[in-house]
Amino acid sequence: AQKVTQAQTEISVVEKEDVTLDCVYETRDTTYYLFWYKQPPSGELVFLIRRNSFDEQNEISGRYSWNFQKSTSSFNFTITASQVVDSAVYFCALSDHRLNNFNKFYFGSGTKLNVKP
Amino acid sequence: EPEVTQTPSHQVTQMGQEVILRCVPISNHLYFYWYRQILGQKVEFLVSFYNNEISEKSEIFDDQFSVERPDGSNFTLKIRSTKLEDSAMYFCASSEHPPSGRAGETQYFGPGTRLLVL
Repeated sequence: AQKVTQAQTEISVVEKEDVTLDCVYETRDTTYYLFWYKQPPSGELVFLIRRNSFDEQNEISGRYSWNFQKSTSSFNFTITASQVVDSAVYFCALSDHRLNNFNKFYFGSGTKLNVKP
Repeated sequence: EPEVTQTPSHQVTQMGQEVILRCVPISNHLYFYWYRQILGQKVEFLVSFYNNEISEKSEIFDDQFSVERPDGSNFTLKIRSTKLEDSAMYFCASSEHPPSGRAGETQYFGPGTRLLVL
C-alpha cells in the first residue's frame, strides 16, 4: 500500500539557518511521482515540485533543494538560509501510477516549520 | 497564471443540513478531485472525477457525498446531511489531461473551503 511518512511534526529554526524536512514513502509501484506542497497560514496548498521515480537527479530552485534517493525511499526538502516567510506546513505527497491515469495523491501528515526572526 | 478557485471560503452550517461546495478548475484541465483536511491532520483523498463520472472514491466518500459538473466550468461537492465530523477544510484540485500512458500529472489545488458543522 502507498504511504508517506513525515516524522517531523514541527521544526523551529532561527532565520538564516538551513533546515531539512524529511519525507519517506512506501509504494509497490515502480513508476510513481513525488511532490512537495506548502501550506501557509492562509490555508491554500501551493505546489513546489514534482519528481518522477525515474529521475533521481537532485534539484535546486533558489533557496530550495530536493534530495531524492530511491535506495532509502526518501525525498527530502532543504531550505537554505530560511526566512520568516518560509513559515508554513509542508506536505510531501505520493502519486501512484495508474493505467487509466486517475492518480490520487497520498499525503504525509505534514511538517510545520516555524522560522523565527 | 490560471488557478483553481473555490467558493465559499468559509461556511458554517447546522448538523443535518445540506451544503454545496463549489470549485472552478483550471480551464483546460479535465481531471478533478476533492480532498479534505480535518484541522491539524493530513490531506485525505475523497474522490476523482473525469468525463462526467466518478473514477475513484475513498471510504470517506459515502452516500452522503456527491459530486457534479453541472456546466462547463463548475465542479461541486454536495454533502446531503452534514455531521459534526464533516467539519474540515475541503480542497478542490484539477490536473491536465496527461499524454497517453503517463500518470502523476501535477494537481493544482484551490484555496479551500473551511466547513464548520455545528
